[in-house]
Amino acid sequence: EAGVAQSPRYKIIEKRQSVAFWCNPISGHATLYWYQQILGQGPKLLIQFQNNGVVDDSQLPKDRFSAERLKGVDSTLKIQPAKLEDSAVYLCASSPTSGAQETQYFGPGTRLLVL
Amino acid sequence: KQEVTQIPAALSVPEGENLVLNCSFTDSAIYNLQWFRQDPGKGLTSLLLIQSSQREQTSGRLNASLDKSSGRSTLYIAASQPGDSATYLCAAPRPMNYGGSQGNLIFGKGTKLSVKP
Repeated sequence: EAGVAQSPRYKIIEKRQSVAFWCNPISGHATLYWYQQILGQGPKLLIQFQNNGVVDDSQLPKDRFSAERLKGVDSTLKIQPAKLEDSAVYLCASSPTSGAQETQYFGPGTRLLVL
Repeated sequence: KQEVTQIPAALSVPEGENLVLNCSFTDSAIYNLQWFRQDPGKGLTSLLLIQSSQREQTSGRLNASLDKSSGRSTLYIAASQPGDSATYLCAAPRPMNYGGSQGNLIFGKGTKLSVKP
């Protein structure tokens, strides 16, 4: 079974530029999560999708971050414009359903550096 | 609001030692608690998931316990090996009485483990 795929793996941009990350979850997984992990911290949930609908985006900075999951499969996360404090690893995860009772499967992450 | 704390932040042990990693959480109304492993530059790998009705889970040399009443979980690693070197994270879902998505995992900052040959 293929795991969660993410691209790019690394990205370096200057502040005020825009950037987009892509995630392809495990086949058949209904729920997709985007997390932000700042160096030395645990991951923090940005947004959760179930199929192509948003379940939770309470911690997404909506003035600059946006995400979509068209057709309920892969997803993109965009930052526009980027700030220095957005430097972090962006992790995508998926799970079969939306329940808290099951494991989330994580991708390798995209490491973003904003200069 | 759920808060997850892990102690110690870093741990260095010689190979072969048994060790315990600690995790505490503030809201005990949780469905489960999970332990993850993160290797440098990589994503998270789930190690153990303990349901709220369970007290412990075992996988190979790993044993995780859960005490909801005290808000604590421990990860026990037996006969540590250099390959166990990684950061270990515990995570609890948003509490049952919070509302909204229960899939929202609240993570601790992790314990960075180094096992010396």
